[in-house]
Amino acid sequence: AQSVTQLGSHVSVSEGALVLLRCNYSSSVPPYLFWYVQYPNQGLQLLLKYTSAATLVKGINGFEAEFKKSETSFHLTKPSAHMSDAAEYFCAVSVPSGYKLSFGAGTTVTVRA
Amino acid sequence: ETGVTQSPTHLIKTRGQQVTLRCSSQSGHNTVSWYQQALGQGPQFIFQYYREEENGRGNFPPRFSGLQFPNYSSELNVNALELDDSALYLCASSLYRSDTEAFFGQGTRLTVV
Repeated sequence: AQSVTQLGSHVSVSEGALVLLRCNYSSSVPPYLFWYVQYPNQGLQLLLKYTSAATLVKGINGFEAEFKKSETSFHLTKPSAHMSDAAEYFCAVSVPSGYKLSFGAGTTVTVRA
Repeated sequence: ETGVTQSPTHLIKTRGQQVTLRCSSQSGHNTVSWYQQALGQGPQFIFQYYREEENGRGNFPPRFSGLQFPNYSSELNVNALELDDSALYLCASSLYRSDTEAFFGQGTRLTVV
């Protein structure tokens, strides 16, 4: 079975500061990993995904994540936070040929002016 | 190209009633998955339909059932509603049943009173 743990249910950053959201995974086989963002009253939007190619993955809106097998981690970063980054972020895991995503509990990001 | 659309956006039902939620998949996508997102939690996989057949199921009781139609749209039916069924129900479509990229709709907010 696959699972992810997101460390920190809430993160508050100043505008222009680094955004770091932590995700650790558990999987019995090499995983596929994803970060999704959810704005209030909306569905999920894919930010980026890791599917066993380059370990540093760049996504939309300036976000990137690095797959570290030795640490079983897939942390999400953005060098400079913008007010529009305020949202809920979910890390998810699946496996090759799998049919479902297993999500973490989410991290709410607030951005201070 | 239209995205994933869900209807209705909100509804309120009484405990014990039955509800049907609808989802139109993105153009060209033959796979639809349903997720339940309780307040403050990550989405939980309910089931997936591929070419009108159930392709996988999460840990949900049989009163959660679904259908997929020849045009690949889908319904989620929940019988004997319980208060704990109150949640955001998300539909996601993908090009293939094990595709790594799922596109989510806006969700249906179900409140059971």
